[in-house]
Amino acid sequence: ETGVTQSPTHLIKTRGQQVTLRCSSQSGHNTVSWYQQALGQGPQFIFQYYREEENGRGNFPPRFSGLQFPNYSSELNVNALELDDSALYLCASSLISDRPYGYTFGSGTRLTVV
Amino acid sequence: GEDVEQSLFLSVREGDSSVINCTYTDSSSTYLYWYKQEPGAGLQLLTYIFSNMDMKQDQRLTVLLNKKDKHLSLRIADTQTGDSAIYFCAESTSSGSARQLTFGSGTQLTVLP
Repeated sequence: ETGVTQSPTHLIKTRGQQVTLRCSSQSGHNTVSWYQQALGQGPQFIFQYYREEENGRGNFPPRFSGLQFPNYSSELNVNALELDDSALYLCASSLISDRPYGYTFGSGTRLTVV
Repeated sequence: GEDVEQSLFLSVREGDSSVINCTYTDSSSTYLYWYKQEPGAGLQLLTYIFSNMDMKQDQRLTVLLNKKDKHLSLRIADTQTGDSAIYFCAESTSSGSARQLTFGSGTQLTVLP
């Protein structure tokens, strides 16, 4: 059973640029969620995708967008990068019917905006 | 609103017990979780408790839930240096039709030899 893999592991971007982060779900999982973890903070929910549709969103602006593909992999896109977007971005996959609602997290992508 | 709070730091001697505390606000949470994060790594699920339970034991880990006070604790028995990490408490809440996790800021556990 493969876990959740994220790419790239590290990334440096300039303010105003756009970035795409990628995530491959754990085998058998059909839901993907993205979290932002700023330094010294707990992860914050960005959004969740199920059946290639966004089915829930946290308090993040529209310049954060995502995609889920038929193979359940996912992308997180961030436009017009700001310095405060510097964080660890975590992808988590799950099976929507699972109880408890347990996620498997990837190791994250460390994004630095300069 | 939703808020999960934890103390920031805990330091214990190897072999002692560690107790990490957490308070949460959403009384509709059905599950509460403890995650562990080691440097440079993602989050590892340690254990969870269903909201109608008071206690759950899993090897060295004991979770206590006081639903009236919305207080959750994680006890690690015989703490080892490998237990040094950041521990996050999380509650499961709804966002649209999605279930999301709302995390605390994490407790940095340092185990001294």
